Amino acid sequence: AAGVIQSPRHLIKEKRETATLKCYPIPRHDTVYWYQQGPGQDPQFLISFYEKMQSDKGSIPDRFSAQQFSDYHSELNMSSLELGDSALYFCASSLGSLAGGRDTQYFGPGTRLTVL
Amino acid sequence: GENVEQHPSTLSVQEGDSAVIKCTYSDSASNYFPWYKQELGKRPQLIIDIRSNVGEKKDQRIAVTLNKTAKHFSLHITETQPEDSAVYFCAAHRGTGFQKLVFGTGTRLLVSP
Repeated sequence: AAGVIQSPRHLIKEKRETATLKCYPIPRHDTVYWYQQGPGQDPQFLISFYEKMQSDKGSIPDRFSAQQFSDYHSELNMSSLELGDSALYFCASSLGSLAGGRDTQYFGPGTRLTVL
Repeated sequence: GENVEQHPSTLSVQEGDSAVIKCTYSDSASNYFPWYKQELGKRPQLIIDIRSNVGEKKDQRIAVTLNKTAKHFSLHITETQPEDSAVYFCAAHRGTGFQKLVFGTGTRLLVSP
């Protein structure tokens, strides 16, 4: 079965640079979630989109922005990168438009961002 | 907002023993509770989930129980195997579309042969 696709898998950037992470949800899934996971920590919710509209917002820095496109893929744009942004960034998708069992979130393989 | 506590933070067992991980949540509106297994550097993988209209769910060696009154739920792994070694996260969710997962802090399970 098709899974969530994320690119790139690894990214190395310098401080103050910008980065763009991409996420392609499972086919027919309409909701995308972004999570940030620091070393030894649990995933922290950043932001989510349903049908190209922001559906929820968590602890996402103002330096970050995201959007969902007409084909349901999503991009997380990160500017003025800081050392503390080094983390694993996961995208998850679900069929959010239906409740009762359709809210299960499936995670992509993640993008490991290293800021030097 | 929702807060999920998870215990223990580390758990070491011998192969063949049982392992139990416990979580408590604070938001009474939460009604969907998934468990994820995460190996080092890899994605969280859903292993089992339970909804508030069910008290217990079992899938082979894995079972989850939910006490909605007490706001706690537990993961039970029987006949543990070395390949069960990983970090396990519980999570809580309001059970409707678009809602974020709030994770517990994770339990590192080590199964020794």
